[in-house]
Amino acid sequence: EDQVTQSPEALRLQEGESSSLNCSYTVSGLRGLFWYRQDPGKGPEFLFTLYSAGEEKEKERLKATLTKKESFLHITAPKPEDSATYLCAVREKLTFGTGTRLTIIP
Amino acid sequence: DSGVTQTPKHLITATGQRVTLRCSPRSGDLSVYWYQQSLDQGLQFLIQYYNGEERAKGNILERFSAQQFPDLHSELNLSSLELGDSALYFCASSVASGHNTEAFFGQGTRLTVV
Repeated sequence: EDQVTQSPEALRLQEGESSSLNCSYTVSGLRGLFWYRQDPGKGPEFLFTLYSAGEEKEKERLKATLTKKESFLHITAPKPEDSATYLCAVREKLTFGTGTRLTIIP
Repeated sequence: DSGVTQTPKHLITATGQRVTLRCSPRSGDLSVYWYQQSLDQGLQFLIQYYNGEERAKGNILERFSAQQFPDLHSELNLSSLELGDSALYFCASSVASGHNTEAFFGQGTRLTVV
């Protein structure tokens, strides 16, 4: 059974303080790993798909990377508007992790 | 705007009642997923349809059922409602059903059972 574990559960950063979020997965034959952003009470917003180890994708202050066992979402010089819960997911049923709740303090 | 439309946005109903949630996928998308998200809980996969056929089933209760119609919209039916069914219900759609296909979410239906 697919498993996705995200860490940390919550992260508070000062504005401009860079950090990384982790997504560890256990799947038989990864065909795609997905990152989403979710604001409170809203639907998840698609960010990235990563297909193979070594792949990287960037969007504004976010960069997602993938290895054979985990993915990282790096956030560089974050701003308060980057505050949200970040979710990763794998495979056809989109098995989600419980997310990392990121808070950026002005 | 993801292009996925869910109605209604809010629903308040009493225990024991039955409700229907509706989802219109993005134009061209054939696959629809339903998720439940309770307060401070993760997204729990309920069920997936692809081009009208059930494709995958998650932890969906027997009191819940869904279907996808020929025009590709989907409905999630919840019956004999209990207080614990209060949650956000999300629909997502994708072009295909494959492992490498990203899905786009609607804004959800907030169900409150009183």
